[in-house]
Amino acid sequence: DAKTTQPPSMDCAEGRAANLPCNHSTISGNEYVYWYRQIHSQGPQYIIHGLKNNETNEMASLIITEDRKSSTLILPHATLRDTAVYYCIVRGTGTASKLTFGTGTRLQVTL
Amino acid sequence: GAVVSQHPSWVICKSGTSVKIECRSLDFQATTMFWYRQFPKQSLMLMATSNEGSKATYEQGVEKDKFLINHASLTLSTLTVTSAHPEDSSFYICSAPTGGMETQYFGPGTRLLVL
Repeated sequence: DAKTTQPPSMDCAEGRAANLPCNHSTISGNEYVYWYRQIHSQGPQYIIHGLKNNETNEMASLIITEDRKSSTLILPHATLRDTAVYYCIVRGTGTASKLTFGTGTRLQVTL
Repeated sequence: GAVVSQHPSWVICKSGTSVKIECRSLDFQATTMFWYRQFPKQSLMLMATSNEGSKATYEQGVEKDKFLINHASLTLSTLTVTSAHPEDSSFYICSAPTGGMETQYFGPGTRLLVL
C-alpha cells in the first residue's frame, strides 16, 4: 500500500473548519484514501473514504486532488470533541486488504 | 456504522499468566478480523489477521506461539497472550471489515498491564 505523509500536529479554534492535509504521491489507481481518527484511549473511528471524487458524510468532507496525489479532510465546524489523532491511510480493495497506520496528525481544538 | 466490541476493556495480570481478549462483531458477520497493538504515544501496529475456519496470518516479528488467535465463529475472534511479561503491556485493538468496501471498524480496545 502507498505511504502517506501528514503534518504531526495542528490547532483549530472551536467552531472553525479544520482542514487536515495528506500527501499520498505513490497511490495507485485502485487504492482508496481512508480517514480514521483516534480519540485518546479509544479504538480508531472510521470517518470517510474516497477513490477520486469528493465525498461528504455527516462527519466530514474529503477532497481529493485530480491527480490523486493528495487529499484534505475537512471538519466543517470543529468542536472540542474532535480533538484526536487523525490518520490518512491508502488502502486497496478486498477483505484482506490491510490498514497501515502512520503517525497521523494530532488535532487540538481550542476554545 | 458497524459495531465491534472487545472484552475485557482492561486487565491486570501477573507475569507468567495467560490473558484472553475477545473481539466480537455485534451486527454483522466477519470471516476476517485484525488484531493490532499500540504502545504509548505510538501508532497502531498490525499483529495478525484472524481467519474464520483457518489459521491466523501473523505479521513479521510477531510470535504466533505467544499470541494465540482463534476465530471460533463468524462473530468472534480471541487473542490469547500466553505467559505474559511486562513488555507485553499495551493497548490491544481488533477490527473487522464489513460493507461493500470492506471498511474496517474497530473495537474500543483492551488495555493490558502485566505486573
